[in-house]
Amino acid sequence: DIVMTQSPDSLAVSLGERATINCQSSQSVLYSSNNKNSLAWYQQKPGQPPKLLIYWASTRESGVPDRFSGSGSGTDFTLTISSLQAEDVAVYSCQQYYSGPYTFGQGTKLEIK
Amino acid sequence: EVQLVESGGGLVKPGGSLRLSCAASGFTFTSAWMSWVRQAPGKGLEWVGRIKSKSNGGTTDYAAPVKGRFTVSRDDSKNTLYLQMSSLQSEDTAVYYCSAEYYGSLKYWGQGTLVTVSS
Repeated sequence: DIVMTQSPDSLAVSLGERATINCQSSQSVLYSSNNKNSLAWYQQKPGQPPKLLIYWASTRESGVPDRFSGSGSGTDFTLTISSLQAEDVAVYSCQQYYSGPYTFGQGTKLEIK
Repeated sequence: EVQLVESGGGLVKPGGSLRLSCAASGFTFTSAWMSWVRQAPGKGLEWVGRIKSKSNGGTTDYAAPVKGRFTVSRDDSKNTLYLQMSSLQSEDTAVYYCSAEYYGSLKYWGQGTLVTVSS
């Protein structure tokens, strides 16, 4: 199975500042047939289901604010929130869908400093 | 509007069985690959299993911890996804979400249903 490791486990950032969350996979998730990375990012607020933010590592889901961006390729990926808003407080998780079973990172808890 | 509504959760004794349902609407269910994902209390997300669309063979895949105990199925005539769970253990206690995939990313999610395995 592909192991997904996120860092850090928790993060406190001031309002308006940049937040960066990293995700590393134990093997490449680059799908050679379409040259896309099979990596998604989710946001989960307390008491709510996860919400898809980013897929194919860098494609923003419809309706997601453009302060959220995804980057990286192969085994190393980053979710960046360019200017943190109060409503961004949540747990963020990465997921690989390159091969079964799909696997998630352990999650990163983002708080306001 | 896409809706996924899970039901069937509850309290079950260790070794028992339970069937979860997920009623889908607002998208073409027959074409969708559907997954179940669970989240133990205070823990992260864990993918449980998936069923492809019938046009893609309707095959299933499972995570190792549930393989042989859980079965994912679908009734396209009812736009409903199922998760049959047997030989339940305390480690299976979690909120169970159904989700509609988009090329493997989990695009739509239900609100979840809580399964508690306890004597």
